[in-house]
Amino acid sequence: KQEVTQIPAALSVPEGENLVLNCSFTDSAIYNLQWFRQDPGKGLTSLLLIQSSQREQTSGRLNASLDKSSGRSTLYIAASQPGDSATYLCAVRPGANFGNEKLTFGTGTRLTIIP
Amino acid sequence: DTGVSQNPRHKITKRGQNVTFRCDPISEHNRLYWYRQTLGQGPEFLTYFQNEAQLEKSRLLSDRFSAERPKGSFSTLEIQRTEQGDSAMYLCASSLARGGAVRRQGNTEAFFGQGTRLTVV
Repeated sequence: KQEVTQIPAALSVPEGENLVLNCSFTDSAIYNLQWFRQDPGKGLTSLLLIQSSQREQTSGRLNASLDKSSGRSTLYIAASQPGDSATYLCAVRPGANFGNEKLTFGTGTRLTIIP
Repeated sequence: DTGVSQNPRHKITKRGQNVTFRCDPISEHNRLYWYRQTLGQGPEFLTYFQNEAQLEKSRLLSDRFSAERPKGSFSTLEIQRTEQGDSAMYLCASSLARGGAVRRQGNTEAFFGQGTRLTVV
């Protein structure tokens, strides 16, 4: 059974700092990994998706890396801003064959950027 | 707005009542998913549809829960005889899956709606 862990559970950093969020998963046979952002009481906003064959994806100040063999992904946020404050969730989708489509989520890292 | 739409956004109901939620996916997406999220946890998979066919159900989906996607477009999730433990955020997501009978193609990126917050009192 796939298990996804995100450490730390909460993180506070001063505005302007670069930071890294971590995600680990127990079964390396994944199809892709997706990072989401969730504001309090809201739904999920997709940030980045990395296919199993890729090593990283970038969007603006965000960079996500994937090391499938070691079961790890990181989300790097550059030059953090107060608007980045939210919970960040990673989720993995299992292998390439149809039949098991569910995303398995971590419990998230609650990020607070201090102005 | 062409994103995933969920209604209602909030629902407060008395224990024992039935509730129904609606999800309208992104129009060209053939896959639709339901997840449940409790406070401080990540979303947990409930069920998913490929077009109108319900292809997988989690053991979390008890007999009191039923989901439909009658025309392969919008979906409904009904909870009968609600219990306080059903209080959660119910999230809907959609994606576009391409490919043949066995292997998946494309990035299958999932897009989520804003969720329906259910409170059972």
